[in-house]
Amino acid sequence: AQTVTQSQPEMSVQEAETVTLSCTYDTSESNYYLFWYKQPPSRQMILVIRQEAYKQQNATENRFSVNFQKAAKSFSLKISDSQLGDTAMYFCALRVYGGSQGNLIFGKGTKLSVKP
Amino acid sequence: GAVVSQHPSWVICKSGTSVKIECRSLDFQATTMFWYRQFPKQSLMLMATSNEGSKATYEQGVEKDKFLINHASLTLSTLTVTSAHPEDSSFYICSARRIAGDYNEQFFGPGTRLTVL
Repeated sequence: AQTVTQSQPEMSVQEAETVTLSCTYDTSESNYYLFWYKQPPSRQMILVIRQEAYKQQNATENRFSVNFQKAAKSFSLKISDSQLGDTAMYFCALRVYGGSQGNLIFGKGTKLSVKP
Repeated sequence: GAVVSQHPSWVICKSGTSVKIECRSLDFQATTMFWYRQFPKQSLMLMATSNEGSKATYEQGVEKDKFLINHASLTLSTLTVTSAHPEDSSFYICSARRIAGDYNEQFFGPGTRLTVL
């Protein structure tokens, strides 16, 4: 079975500062994807960043980057130059390749508040 | 980018009635669609996975006779909550998976808020 754990229920950061959200996961599979999704107050799920497990290089999307530690099964999200619009729930998710295991497994989420 | 729509965005119904929620992939074909339920301040819980033209696969604990899922075409899936009760009040989110090369990206609808009185 796959599990995703987010140990920080809530975090806050000052505008323009950097914040890191933690995520650990567990799977016995070797081929999988990891994701960070953002859910703003509108509740629309938005993909922030994706990491393929076979890639050693950490994914980066503008101000968002990850620290993927495969051996430790850790997948943290760093948000640089935080903006007010980054205020949202952030969900870490795992998806094993293909078949019936191809469903997204979500963590419980971290509520991020960016303060002016 | 790919767009997934849901209709209605919110619905209020009386206890004992049935409610249908539609999920459409607007600009791509989705062989697989997913239905999630999200309670306030909680994560998304997968209810069922549906493949076009076949019966949905329900997660453990989800009543398939209560939550009827139909995936009649490559762009439309529906969730019908039958004989709804107040405990069914929740936020329902659909997601559609697009096949694109080696990676089947998954897109989310905006959600439907169901309130059962």
